[in-house]
Formats: sequence, structure tokens, C-alpha cells
Amino acid sequence: GESVGLHLPTLSVQEGDNSIINCAYSNSASDYFIWYKQESGKGPQFIIDIRSNMDKRQGQRVTVLLNKTVKHLSLQIAATQPGDSAVYFCAENIGSSNTGKLIFGQGTTLQVKP
Amino acid sequence: DAGVTQSPTHLIKTRGQHVTLRCSPISGHKSVSWYQQVLGQGPQFIFQYYEKEERGRGNFPDRFSARQFPNYSSELNVNALLLGDSALYLCASGREGQETQYFGPGTRLLVL
Repeated sequence: GESVGLHLPTLSVQEGDNSIINCAYSNSASDYFIWYKQESGKGPQFIIDIRSNMDKRQGQRVTVLLNKTVKHLSLQIAATQPGDSAVYFCAENIGSSNTGKLIFGQGTTLQVKP
Repeated sequence: DAGVTQSPTHLIKTRGQHVTLRCSPISGHKSVSWYQQVLGQGPQFIFQYYEKEERGRGNFPDRFSARQFPNYSSELNVNALLLGDSALYLCASGREGQETQYFGPGTRLLVL
């Protein structure tokens, strides 16, 4: 079925530590995945994306890992900062770019302790 | 560059009324999608429009409708509002040929 889920609802980390947020997806035909950050009262903000022909992609302080064998996606945030506190969603694109839709998981709340 | 803009930011309606929400995509983006986000959950896909044509529809009743204008802006209409329609309504836009969607700040709708 169409579902993208996250393993943990809340993650609490110490400032400066690394954070790892996990996501499981069920549609093995999906070929594009996105991580979004959503702060309170705001819309989702694009963080990083990855295609299914890649295993890893790095951005500024963030890395996304994709394991297609077990249909698992993770977001790693290096040196977590208080400004990283937010809800993080993984999303799976169903269909082509002009006809597709994003399927979101429930979200993981990241709390950064000073 | 301006991001996706939505209006109004907040709206209060009563059951049975109808509502129109508006969205302006990022300049150069031709695809607009609408999502509903209930408190505590991830966004759920409602519609996608590309070049003024509906290209995708989620599992929402016919009370929900949308359209896209020649300038690529879009409206989402909801008729016969129910209490359960209370949510954050998000608009996202994307470039032609790219799956990445960029979201606006949303319109928070409260149905009393």
C-alpha cells in the first residue's frame, strides 16, 4: 500500500551531537524521496532529496541514506543546533514529476537540548 | 526570489459554509499541489495541477475542488464545510520536469 512511516515520534539530542532520523517506506516502485523540516506555524521546508539510483547524498550538515533492500531512509544531522528543533518528515514521490504526489509519514519531532 | 505565497493566513468558518484558499507559486513554477495537514500528522495530498490541468487527485470528497489560472496561481475550494475540515492547507509548487515541491506557509482553517 501507499504509506511512509517513521520509526520514532520524538528524538531528543544534546546540542552538538549528531542526530539520526529514520523512515520506512512501503512502495518499492518509488524512485524519489525528500526530507522536509517543519517548524511550528510554518510550512514544510525542503532539506534534501535523493533518487533511488543513489545510496547516499550529502548537503550542508545533513546526509540522507537510502537502503532500497529494506526500504529504509534516514536523515543524519551533524552537530545538531537548537535551530534544528522541528518536526521532520520524509516524503515519497508517487508517479512522475508532472503527475505525482508526495506521500508523507507522520513525522519525528527533534528536540535539541542546550 | 519570493517563495510560495498563500492567502489568507488564517480563516474561521462555520459548518456548511464554503471557503476559497489561494496560492501563488514560485516564479517559473508551473506545477501547483494542495495538501491538507491535520494537527499532529503529515500532509495529505489533495490535488496537483500542471499547466492548468488536474494531474492528480487524492482521496478527498467531491466537496473539494481546485483550479489553476493562466498565471499558474491556484485556488482550492471546499464546499459544505465539516468540523473535520479544520486543518492547515498547504500549497506547493514545482518546476516542470522536477519532482521537488516547495511549500508555502499554509492557510489555517478552523471550522466551528
